[in-house]
Amino acid sequence: DVELVQSGAEVKRPGESLRISCTGSGYSFTNYWIGWVRQMPGKGLEWMGITHPHDSDTKYNPSFQGRVSMSTDKSSNTAYLQWGRLQASDTAMYYCGRVYGGNYFDYWGQGTLVAVSS
Amino acid sequence: DIQMTQSPSTLSASVGDSVTITCRASQIFNNWLAWYQQKPGQAPRLLIYKASGLQNGVPSRFVGSGSGTEYTLTITSLQPDDVATYYCQQYKSYPWTFGQGTKVDI
Repeated sequence: DVELVQSGAEVKRPGESLRISCTGSGYSFTNYWIGWVRQMPGKGLEWMGITHPHDSDTKYNPSFQGRVSMSTDKSSNTAYLQWGRLQASDTAMYYCGRVYGGNYFDYWGQGTLVAVSS
Repeated sequence: DIQMTQSPSTLSASVGDSVTITCRASQIFNNWLAWYQQKPGQAPRLLIYKASGLQNGVPSRFVGSGSGTEYTLTITSLQPDDVATYYCQQYKSYPWTFGQGTKVDI
């Protein structure tokens, strides 16, 4: 069965760096794009971008470009979402998702809660 | 960016009712639209792809339709398990965009 397992909740201070992960299993990891979606507290879903494990091609939402970076490690079937300097406004739940056919998310991780507070 | 506008924002109906959620796009696209269900405290779940394709394992009471700039998700016989927020998402062009969500209550 296809499964995406995300890393655990994080509590950070403003200005700190962070990397969260999403590990895929049950399918050929390098054949599918992996994407990230933000959900701020009580709000809707926001598409952050997608990255392809095969060649590291990445499509960012301009709203997030420069604030986060996406990467993958084919050896461990893991995708990463990384911040260089967190802000309080980065407090949110972050979901990873497998992209079917380069089109839509057919499987989702369970989410990683990131809380940024001084 | 393609803007996606969902309506209504919330709706309340009875078990067995047929309910319809509408998603309007700011520009025409060729049915490159998905619908997701998100229950409280859970990750989203894919229901419909390419406007009307039913994802494996999704009950047939979920029906997607539409074309051009207007798309709908109909739940033909609302069940207690359908209490959730529903989102449309276009994947015609980057950045992909979601509607703001429709909360469905019983």
